Order: sequence, then C-alpha cells, then structure tokens
Amino acid sequence: GAGVSQSPSNKVTEKGKDVELRCDPISGHTALYWYRQSLGQGLEFLIYFQGNSAPDKSGLPSDRFSAERTGGSVSTLTIQRTQQEDSAVYLCASFPGGGYGYTFGSGTRLTVV
Amino acid sequence: QQPVQSPQAVILREGEDAVINCSSSKALYSVHWYRQKHGEAPVFLMILLKGGEQKGHEKISASFNEKKQQSSLYLTASQLSYSGTYFCGTHPSRGSTLGRLYFGRGTQLTVWP
Repeated sequence: GAGVSQSPSNKVTEKGKDVELRCDPISGHTALYWYRQSLGQGLEFLIYFQGNSAPDKSGLPSDRFSAERTGGSVSTLTIQRTQQEDSAVYLCASFPGGGYGYTFGSGTRLTVV
Repeated sequence: QQPVQSPQAVILREGEDAVINCSSSKALYSVHWYRQKHGEAPVFLMILLKGGEQKGHEKISASFNEKKQQSSLYLTASQLSYSGTYFCGTHPSRGSTLGRLYFGRGTQLTVWP
C-alpha cells in the first residue's frame, strides 16, 4: 500500500489480557520502528528492526513486551498481561533510509481497563 | 540523549513568525522535524544532514548547526494550518541515517485568526 497500515485502530482490553498490535509498513522500506505516545506526551522509542539484523530492543519497558517482524515486512507488537500504564497510542513507522523521513501509521489506541 | 526543545508552547496570531529550537548534548548526524495535529500521526517535514544546512518547506525552514549540536525550525507568516505539536528527532550516529531517532518532548504551536 501507499502508507503504513496499523491494526486495530482502537483496542480496549481488560487488565491482565494479552494484546497483539499489527503494523504493515511501506514495501521496500529498510527499517521499521515502534514508538508509543501517552496522552499529551512525546514519542517513546520501543523497538527497531532493520533488514536481517538483530532488532534494537533497548526501549521495551519490560519483558511483557515483545515484537517480531516476519519476512522483513509485517511486524507484530505483543503485550502480555496488560497493565493500566500500558494505555497509550502505539505508533509504527517505516523508513527507507537516506535523506527521507519516517512515515508513521495512524496508530493503535490501546486502553487497558 | 533526548534532545531539549524550546519553547514548550507558542501562541501566535496568523501571519506572525515563530522559532522552535532543538538542542542535544550529543554530537548529531542528522535532525528530523515532524508536525503532529491533534489525534493524528506525526508527519515528516524535513531532514537536515549537514552542519549549517538550511532547508525549506512551504514557509517553514530549518537550520542545523552541527558544531552547536542544535537545530532551529522557522515558521514564517504562520497560517492556521501550522497549528500542532512540532517534534525534533535527532540521530547521533555517523555514517548512516538508520537507527533510532531520539525525539524531543515537542512544542505545541497554536495559531489564532
């Protein structure tokens, strides 16, 4: 597609449940990033994938968070045993490198009740 | 390594000018600027790769002083459509534009008619 696609757009889940967030990046983009944004806050880095290299997981806040990128394309961010502090908008971005910028998806708004 | 943005908020009348600054304590290879409107994903404005480089986009331009490790975004003759939160993202590595960006906390710009 022409842009970065994220699904679902909204997710309400009960505390303690697992959730999966999906990102379909722009075809051919080398790098894929996950960030999260709490209400009125900045962009918090979570994880970064580039080609076949080992992902940079340095931003994952706890071992309840994991992500994978299959076939160098679609990525899934999984949050296990969700907590209320996980509520945020989760943004995925893809990036071709060089003198270009990130293209962000519309995000998944996660609400843990 | 999070850059510091200033000011935190700016209120303008249509037609007025504004400057948003982004400073880093680390040596920078590139600086990105994004604008995010309420409820939407951040949108890429421009990337600056070299010291002292100036770029323009509509009536929005930016400079990058590599020696001072800072970038400034200039909004000239502001329009209502310029309202939103502006984020700078810095990339500290040399030789590549890949790798994670460190985003500032954002500057909220409001333009009134």
